[in-house]
Amino acid sequence: AQKITQTQPGMFVQEKEAVTLDCTYDTSDQSYGLFWYKQPSSGEMIFLIYQGSYDEQNATEGRYSLNFQKARKSANLVISASQLGDSAMYFCAMREGTWGNYQLIWGAGTKLIIKP
Amino acid sequence: NAGVTQTPKFQVLKTGQSMTLQCAQDMNHEYMSWYRQDPGMGLRLIHYSVGAGITDQGEVPNGYNVSRSTTEDFPLRLLSAAPSQTSVYFCASSGTRGLNEQFFGPGTRLTVL
Repeated sequence: AQKITQTQPGMFVQEKEAVTLDCTYDTSDQSYGLFWYKQPSSGEMIFLIYQGSYDEQNATEGRYSLNFQKARKSANLVISASQLGDSAMYFCAMREGTWGNYQLIWGAGTKLIIKP
Repeated sequence: NAGVTQTPKFQVLKTGQSMTLQCAQDMNHEYMSWYRQDPGMGLRLIHYSVGAGITDQGEVPNGYNVSRSTTEDFPLRLLSAAPSQTSVYFCASSGTRGLNEQFFGPGTRLTVL
């Protein structure tokens, strides 16, 4: 079974609109972490935001926020006021395990294209 | 700080050849890992290390070896390259015990003919 599911292979969004990228996860661990990374066409991986499973507040970093719904096992990324430079692949990832045995499991990604 | 560096950036191998992908970080990070990214897919963990002298297998370790003799370096060795190993390889490191963020190198694009 997929541990990280990103159901949107691709999205087109008008510039300045808000965007929600979906991510659902599956784990039996009580302690885990959720990440979002951006990969532009140049190929590098850029860290966007992190949410720990025990964090009560949704994480925010500038225009990025993570809509964490623990009971639904959902960790959607919200980008407010999208910009042309937001066009990229976006990956959701989950950290499982304990120190010494950490592994990150990645979703297949969503390709976001911002239209001018 | 240079962050995480990887060499080479591009490499073409013939089937059966061996090579080492280099990875170094100058942030004194404990945790280092190697991923491969195939077209249209997310990253898959090959091997990881939580400190010098300690390595462990990830999701797709077959055909790859690693060692961690120093905190800074974490080379990935392809023992006998196969076309199925054509991929982009990323090295990453993290300094926090909570693994709250991984810093990635620029990647190595490997083609095996």
